[in-house]
Amino acid sequence: EIVMTQSPATLSVSPGERATLSCRASQSVYRNLVWYQQKPGQAPRLLIYGASTRATGIPARFSGSGSGTEFTLTISSLQSEDFAVYYCQQYDNWPPITFGQGTRLEIK
Amino acid sequence: QVQLVESGGGLVKPGGSLRLSCAASGFSFSDYYMSWIRQAPGKGLEWVSYISGSSTYINYADSVKGRFTISRDNANNSLFLQMNSLRAEDTAVYYCARDISGGFRLWGQGTLVTVSS
Repeated sequence: EIVMTQSPATLSVSPGERATLSCRASQSVYRNLVWYQQKPGQAPRLLIYGASTRATGIPARFSGSGSGTEFTLTISSLQSEDFAVYYCQQYDNWPPITFGQGTRLEIK
Repeated sequence: QVQLVESGGGLVKPGGSLRLSCAASGFSFSDYYMSWIRQAPGKGLEWVSYISGSSTYINYADSVKGRFTISRDNANNSLFLQMNSLRAEDTAVYYCARDISGGFRLWGQGTLVTVSS
């Protein structure tokens, strides 16, 4: 089973600033990684797939990078609606499909 | 409208059973892998099970293997999860989701399952 580890658990950033979230895989997942955003009481929403491709309708301030075992989600200029929990997930080697434990992005 | 709508959640006693349903609309249901994913209160996401479009490929997380059964009815655009021998640790919001490779692109709103005496 591929273990996904996200850091930090909580990130405090001011609106308008940049946020950088990390995700590490226990073995290479190549670029078979996605990022989700989840707001309270809502289902997750797909942001990024293939490590760096934005899903339909996702603003350009969201960008993904990385390959192999190290990945990053960057939000270039935080808007109020971006404060949420973010999850990474690998789809290279399944089953099982595995998620990171999440990073909570909060307002500083 | 492309959507997934779950139903069937509720309160059940430990050892009991529950059947979840997911109604799909707006897309060619039989073309897609479907999954169940759960989220315990205040916790992260856990994949539970998937089923291929023709039901040929089915898999489960170790935590539910032997207790849960996934199935689908392509004629009625529906996905199911039969949950038996429920435990307190199965308490969660259960989401149905579409796709696998490239991520889960479509999610339902979730249905809450509470296992408690």
